[in-house]
Amino acid sequence: EAGVAQSPRYKIIEKRQSVAFWCNPISGHATLYWYQQILGQGPKLLIQFQNNGVVDDSQLPKDRFSAERLKGVDSTLKIQPAKLEDSAVYLCASSLDPGLAGQYFGPGTRLLVL
Amino acid sequence: DAKTTQPTSMDCAEGRAANLPCNHSTISGNEYVYWYRQIHSQGPQYIIHGLKNNETNEMASLIITEDRKSSTLILPHATLRDTAVYYCIVRVVSGGATNKLIFGTGTLLAVQP
Repeated sequence: EAGVAQSPRYKIIEKRQSVAFWCNPISGHATLYWYQQILGQGPKLLIQFQNNGVVDDSQLPKDRFSAERLKGVDSTLKIQPAKLEDSAVYLCASSLDPGLAGQYFGPGTRLLVL
Repeated sequence: DAKTTQPTSMDCAEGRAANLPCNHSTISGNEYVYWYRQIHSQGPQYIIHGLKNNETNEMASLIITEDRKSSTLILPHATLRDTAVYYCIVRVVSGGATNKLIFGTGTLLAVQP
């Protein structure tokens, strides 16, 4: 079975620019997550979708970050405008349901903000 | 969610069993223990989870103590490809927003040839 796909794999932008990341979850997975992982730390959940509805976005910096999951499949995460501290790996994960099932992660997008 | 404590790093000889400990002394009755690992430059990989019984799958075994205050992940025959950061996470499992995984800094397991 195909895994979680993410693009781009790498992105370099200057501060105050905008950037968008794309995620395609495993087919049939209703729950989708976006995580931010700063170097040397574990991943931190930014937002969780159940189908196309937001379940948890308490850690999402809503003044600059936005995410959507139209049609309950693919998702995009946007940062506008980017700050230096947004440099991190952005990981997308999906799971069959929000219960016991494990989460399956994509390879991540490595963002560098200069 | 309960907090976990793991050693920062561990070494293991190739072919030997790797035993990764995790302390979760404040775990609640409805919290599960999950293990993930993250190989360098990859996303985390789900390994195994359990509530109170020992669990085994094709990747590893999970041993949870009777009082549930600690657990051990066992990789029976470690290979160089098992070198990774291993995260032990406890979380309430329900159908809603409490599904959150809270990652700590994990244990860096280095498998030596």
